[in-house]
Amino acid sequence: DAGITQSPRYKITETGRQVTLMCHQTWSHSYMFWYRQDLGHGLRLIYYSAAADITDKGEVPDGYVVSRSKTENFPLTLESATRSQTSVYFCASSESGALEKLFFGSGTQLSVL
Amino acid sequence: KQEVTQIPAALSVPEGENLVLNCSFTDSAIYNLQWFRQDPGKGLTSLLLIQSSQREQTSGRLNASLDKSSGRSTLYIAASQPGDSATYLCAVRDNQAGTALIFGKGTTLSVSS
Repeated sequence: DAGITQSPRYKITETGRQVTLMCHQTWSHSYMFWYRQDLGHGLRLIYYSAAADITDKGEVPDGYVVSRSKTENFPLTLESATRSQTSVYFCASSESGALEKLFFGSGTQLSVL
Repeated sequence: KQEVTQIPAALSVPEGENLVLNCSFTDSAIYNLQWFRQDPGKGLTSLLLIQSSQREQTSGRLNASLDKSSGRSTLYIAASQPGDSATYLCAVRDNQAGTALIFGKGTTLSVSS
């Protein structure tokens, strides 16, 4: 199906483990984003990408790594998970930056024990 | 630093009522403002996008207005229905944040039948 999909939907891991959250979009949108959503903080930008092989930090990038070797994929890796990274993670895309509407995936609920 | 505020945090209304959701932002130098809807456990759906040069946008029963000079936007929902129950978030793209959207924490709307 066309759209933006995230996997897994739910993930439980332990502190110190590496975790990768996947994001795939079928629209060939140039821009992709990773946000985390936490009670009391709302949505905060972690990283974004303007095109394949171009990434940039957002508001809260520490502890996260991203890559974008193909336009359609934008994985987010937690190199050594911490409890403070327990959150709901959303991937989003837009055709040309934030001048256009932003389309979101359904989210990954991550729990770090 | 741009801050986006949505008041009230929660709102309950009976079916059929017209209602207004409020969004305020601290820096008027914005490119655009978007209103999103989020259902429990789901991602965000873009409802309306207002560019800085526009005063309002309409989609069906929804009308969003933008007053940059006063740092305010409103989302008007006409003839509310139980299916409108969700959290509504506004987000701005300002000149300093680059491509990132800055989100408010949302207003949770409950429409009773």
